[in-house]
Amino acid sequence: GDSVTQMEGPVTLSEEAFLTINCTYTATGYPSLFWYVQYPGEGLQLLLKATKADDKGSNKGFEATYRKETTSFHLEKGSVQVSDSAVYFCAMSDTGRRALTFGSGTRLQVQP
Amino acid sequence: ETGVTQTPRHLVMGMTNKKSLKCEQHLGHNAMYWYKQSAKKPLELMFVYSLEERVENNSVPSRFSPECPNSSHLFLHLHTLQPEDSALYLCASSQGLGQTTGELFFGEGSRLTVL
Repeated sequence: GDSVTQMEGPVTLSEEAFLTINCTYTATGYPSLFWYVQYPGEGLQLLLKATKADDKGSNKGFEATYRKETTSFHLEKGSVQVSDSAVYFCAMSDTGRRALTFGSGTRLQVQP
Repeated sequence: ETGVTQTPRHLVMGMTNKKSLKCEQHLGHNAMYWYKQSAKKPLELMFVYSLEERVENNSVPSRFSPECPNSSHLFLHLHTLQPEDSALYLCASSQGLGQTTGELFFGEGSRLTVL
């Protein structure tokens, strides 16, 4: 069935380091792909999305490119800040699905 | 402020209690969702409502009973829960379903502890 797999955390980085969080998906159709972020004590909020192959989503310095050939949607940021500390969820929607399918989340801890 | 409000934020209940979680959205959306968030597990979709009609029930035990009286309100009624039901329960809304959904708007969640 449809599924999303994320790298396990926590990921601990120093401020200004480069970030990559891996995400791969399994789907029968052509899904849209999303990254959501959950800050401490809050619900999830959309960070970025891509709706077709080779699209790049970007927001707040984060980027992710929809790679159909590797079924991946890795999240990257060139220079992380302490305020980026949160849990990041990769998700997809697909034809016929009635809701988004989420990964297990990756906790990012950025140290000053 | 995402426009989706959940109450209570925290709930502690015994296994024989009956309680309810409430969700209200002020975004004019027509679909609402309950997700369960447990540590180190993917978010689990529990229920989906579209225009107040339940369109998906992901094999959720009957001790969880959803109710959607109108497009702005969603409840999750809880009774005779088990300790393994302790989790963060997230409500979300969207303008449409499936591929047209695009974005879900989440509440801050209700942290449930079952003793």
